[in-house]
Amino acid sequence: QKEVEQNSGPLSVPEGAIASLNCTYSDRGSQSFFWYRQYSGKSPELIMSIYSNGDKEDGRFTAQLNKASQYVSLLIRDSQPSDSATYLCAVKTSGSARQLTFGSGTQLTVLP
Amino acid sequence: NAGVTQTPKFQVLKTGQSMTLQCAQDMNHNSMYWYRQDPGMGLRLIYYSASEGTTDKGEVPNGYNVSRLNKREFSLRLESAAPSQTSVYFCASGPKFDEQFFGPGTRLTVL
Repeated sequence: QKEVEQNSGPLSVPEGAIASLNCTYSDRGSQSFFWYRQYSGKSPELIMSIYSNGDKEDGRFTAQLNKASQYVSLLIRDSQPSDSATYLCAVKTSGSARQLTFGSGTQLTVLP
Repeated sequence: NAGVTQTPKFQVLKTGQSMTLQCAQDMNHNSMYWYRQDPGMGLRLIYYSASEGTTDKGEVPNGYNVSRLNKREFSLRLESAAPSQTSVYFCASGPKFDEQFFGPGTRLTVL
């Protein structure tokens, strides 16, 4: 079982809709969770971090964490074509104190 | 601030050749990392350095060596390149063990 799992997609949503991206992880002791956005041919860019159960909002982005169910999600409200990218979930697992474990990413396409 | 810089941006090697990928950061971060990214595999950690003078293996260290030259610079060396090392290589740095900020990447092809 992979430590961090994401649906690879592709996920398509119309412009203005809410895009919902999900990530599950296997290490119950994980404490830190991150979402990165990666445009095609570019490097990953950190867009959200979350450490506590519940929601964290930053502009059009909301990260949701549920440690009991071992999932973290990213909601993108009012999706724009410029949000089209691959979104990577990263988890700092308890067994690797200095490392992040990345999911393989979900490809999102926002249709005009 | 330039953030994290990497050189070269592109490289083509023949099997058995050696090369060093350079990485530098100007954010005064303690931790630095080398990843490779392959289609469908996500980002995989090759080596990391928690602080100047220390390095540790990550998930896929075989065939690579690293040097943390100083706080700013962290290089990755391929001693004898193999086609399986064809990949995109990213360097990252972070102020602690959590957040990481990535360089633009090096696209390496080994023939």
